[in-house]
Amino acid sequence: QQPVQSPQAVILREGEDAVINCSSSKALYSVHWYRQKHGEAPVFLMILLKGGEQKGHDKISASFNEKKQQSSLYLTASQLSYSGTYFCGTDLISSGSARQLTFGSGTQLTVLP
Amino acid sequence: SQTIHQWPATLVQPVGSPLSLECTVEGTSNPNLYWYRQAAGRGLQLLFYSVGIGQISSEVPQNLSASRPQDRQFILSSKKLLLSDSGFYLCAWSLTGGKFFGPGTRLTVL
Repeated sequence: QQPVQSPQAVILREGEDAVINCSSSKALYSVHWYRQKHGEAPVFLMILLKGGEQKGHDKISASFNEKKQQSSLYLTASQLSYSGTYFCGTDLISSGSARQLTFGSGTQLTVLP
Repeated sequence: SQTIHQWPATLVQPVGSPLSLECTVEGTSNPNLYWYRQAAGRGLQLLFYSVGIGQISSEVPQNLSASRPQDRQFILSSKKLLLSDSGFYLCAWSLTGGKFFGPGTRLTVL
């Protein structure tokens, strides 16, 4: 079951903040976040393994609400380099040892100068 | 450190022709391996995954197949390509955490 991402697209000015949400209809083992620049492969940002876990990477952080089966990605004081498409990938509790991910449809983030 | 290679980088093939895409991983042992496809402007669709040599699981029924002849080699094949097979094919590896993607193969079927 594909997770639902929102919003589909967001346009920011440099220095502004943004939040991207990812929700699942099934119980989650983990949530992964990736950023993809145009024409390139997705790049791993972070993985959240436990309910309530929050992680940060520079000014990009994420939270995982296990009860609500959702995760949010927070981009603070956005930089031009943050532009790209952000994907969440969900790993269900029912997955086997392969821990395969199902990706959302993506959120296109554009940061303007 | 681990690196993942894919080739070719781009490929243009006629409908009905065969396909073979190769992915190799260096610097790790017994990784989980995955093939994803991304249509233009769309998300990532999981095609196949493998937890070990000769072990392949398919997520989507289609005219594609995958094989893992060696621990760090993953191959995506087709006997006859369809127009709908066009897309960006990405191989990924993981151990216990995040998935790391290769540079991808951009396939155009004409």
